[in-house]
Amino acid sequence: NAGVTQTPKFQVLKTGQSMTLQCAQDMNHEYMSWYRQDPGMGLRLIHYSVGAGITDQGEVPNGYNVSRSTTEDFPLRLLSAAPSQTSVYFCASSYAGDLGEAFFGQGTRLTVV
Amino acid sequence: DAKTTQPPSMDCAEGRAANLPCNHSTISGNEYVYWYRQIHSQGPQYIIHGLKNNETNEMASLIITEDRKSSTLILPHATLRDTAVYYCIVRVRSNNNDMRFGAGTRLTVKP
Repeated sequence: NAGVTQTPKFQVLKTGQSMTLQCAQDMNHEYMSWYRQDPGMGLRLIHYSVGAGITDQGEVPNGYNVSRSTTEDFPLRLLSAAPSQTSVYFCASSYAGDLGEAFFGQGTRLTVV
Repeated sequence: DAKTTQPPSMDCAEGRAANLPCNHSTISGNEYVYWYRQIHSQGPQYIIHGLKNNETNEMASLIITEDRKSSTLILPHATLRDTAVYYCIVRVRSNNNDMRFGAGTRLTVKP
C-alpha cells in the first residue's frame, strides 16, 4: 500500500515554462487536494476534488489548473511558471464523509528561476 | 485566515509530557478540532481530532475546554522523534478539504 505518491520530488523550472506535478493514491479516496507551503508558513489550499470529474478552487488557485479524470490521479498543472510559485507542494487524499483523516504525500519541491 | 492561535515555539525535555495549547475562540458548533504534525519537511501527519469530549489514541491526548474555545494536545512521553511543527485546525464536519493551516507550533524535544 503506497498511500499518496507525488512525482517528481524536486524540480527546477525557468520562468514561463509549464509542467505537471503528479499525485496518485491507491486508497480509493474520493477527496484529493493540493497545497503549497512557503518557507516558515503553514499549508495553503490550491485546488481540491470531491470525486472524478469534479474540482474546485481553494485559497490560492491562480496560476494552477487541475483535473480529475480518475479516482486515483489528481495532477496539478502550472501553465506558465513564475518565481512566486517557488514552493513545496503537497498532495493529500481522504475518504468522503464526516471525519476523514487526510493522508499527505511527501511533497514536491519546486524552484522557479 | 486560520481560525486558530498557537504559540510559535515550545521546548520539552525528553521523556516529559509536552502540552501544546491552541486557542479557537470563534469555533462553531459543527467544527471539530484536528491536530496534525509535520516532521522536518515531510508531509503532515494526522494525530487526533475531537468535537467536545476529551480524546486519546496511541499517539496523544486531546483536551478540549468545556466552552470549546481552546484545547491542548498532550504527548505523554515526548521523544526526540516528536520534534516537529504541530498544527491545530478547526474543520467543518462535512467538508474534508476545508483545512486551513496556520503557522503552527514548532516543538523541540531536547535530550
